[in-house]
Amino acid sequence: GENVEQHPSTLSVQEGDSAVIKCTYSDSASNYFPWYKQELGKRPQLIIDIRSNVGEKKDQRIAVTLNKTAKHFSLHITETQPEDSAVYFCAAKEPGGSYIPTFGRGTSLIVHP
Amino acid sequence: GAGVSQTPSNKVTEKGKYVELRCDPISGHTALYWYRQSLGQGPEFLIYFQGTGAADDSGLPNDRFFAVRPEGSVSTLKIQRTERGDSAVYLCASSLAEGANYEQYFGPGTRLTVT
Repeated sequence: GENVEQHPSTLSVQEGDSAVIKCTYSDSASNYFPWYKQELGKRPQLIIDIRSNVGEKKDQRIAVTLNKTAKHFSLHITETQPEDSAVYFCAAKEPGGSYIPTFGRGTSLIVHP
Repeated sequence: GAGVSQTPSNKVTEKGKYVELRCDPISGHTALYWYRQSLGQGPEFLIYFQGTGAADDSGLPNDRFFAVRPEGSVSTLKIQRTERGDSAVYLCASSLAEGANYEQYFGPGTRLTVT
């Protein structure tokens, strides 16, 4: 099955700085890579996703890049704000009918004002 | 509209007891997923329903865990003879249909504590 590794486990930045979270996956057949944001005590929410036929995707201050050859993908947050503080999870999905992602262990992002 | 809801929000039970956790998906969503999230970990897949049937239950850790969705809407996760290691947040998610083209919407979770 798929195995997803996520780094770092904790990331502390100053407001306005950029933050980068990296994930690797093991199954070269995986073709869908979502990112979730989970605020303390709240539910995970999808913030951005990327498919294997695309190398990069942007949505305002958030971008995700995918390197299929190296089997890694990254989340980039620019101009970080205190409200970006949360745990971020990457995930990878192998091809198949149902959408059952394998999640990374999460990165706790702390943005200091 | 209303999102995914789960009840109870918190459940404390003694080791060996039976518990039921309920999930109300978004109306009209045919796919329903159960995950377990331990502290400091990502959600771990347990079981997936398409309609009334369990399409994939490969994530259930053992036969103490069971889930049903008799009418294709509300689902109940059942845990028999609970153990302390079962303590976790149990998350439910639903999507309009199966497949990566349909976003999964998570519920707030049920925090289960086995003493």
